[in-house]
Amino acid sequence: EAGVVQSPRYKIIEKKQPVAFWCNPISGHNTLYWYLQNLGQGPELLIRYENEEAVDDSQLPKDRFSAERLKGVDSTLKIQPAELGDSAVYLCASSLGRGREQYFGPGTRLTVT
Amino acid sequence: GESVGLHLPTLSVQEGDNSIINCAYSNSASDYFIWYKQESGKGPQFIIDIRSNMDKRQGQRVTVLLNKTVKHLSLQIAATQPGDSAVYFCAENMAGGTSYGKLTFGQGTILTVHP
Repeated sequence: EAGVVQSPRYKIIEKKQPVAFWCNPISGHNTLYWYLQNLGQGPELLIRYENEEAVDDSQLPKDRFSAERLKGVDSTLKIQPAELGDSAVYLCASSLGRGREQYFGPGTRLTVT
Repeated sequence: GESVGLHLPTLSVQEGDNSIINCAYSNSASDYFIWYKQESGKGPQFIIDIRSNMDKRQGQRVTVLLNKTVKHLSLQIAATQPGDSAVYFCAENMAGGTSYGKLTFGQGTILTVHP
């Protein structure tokens, strides 16, 4: 079974530029999560989807971050404009449902210069 | 706010030794705890979990202990191997309400296994 797929794996951009990350969850997983992971820290939830609906986006900085999950499968996370402090690893995870085991993708390492 | 934390940020052991990684949590409403292993350049990988109605659970070479009285969680790895070298995170899963299913991760412990 294929795991969670994320692309790109690495991205380097200048500050104030836009950037987008893509996630393809495990087939059949209704719940999808985006996490932010700073160096040496544990992942922090940005947003959680149940199918197409964002059920928890309280930690998403909505002035610059946006996310969507069209058709309840793939998801994209966008930052516009990026700031230096956005440099981190962005992880996507999926699960069969709320409270079920979460499977993580390899993440996208973003560097903002 | 309430959070999950780790006592030791690094742990260095010899191959074949047993390793113990500790974690303290503060949210008494959490009912489910998970240990994840994260290797460099990879996402966290599930190791073992435990529900709050249990105090011990064993897997292959790993055991998780939960002490709800002192809000402490530990991961024991038997006969540690170089392939176990990674960062280990504990995470708590909120019980019920709008936060149900939301994982809160601790800071992480770096485990280094020397041959």
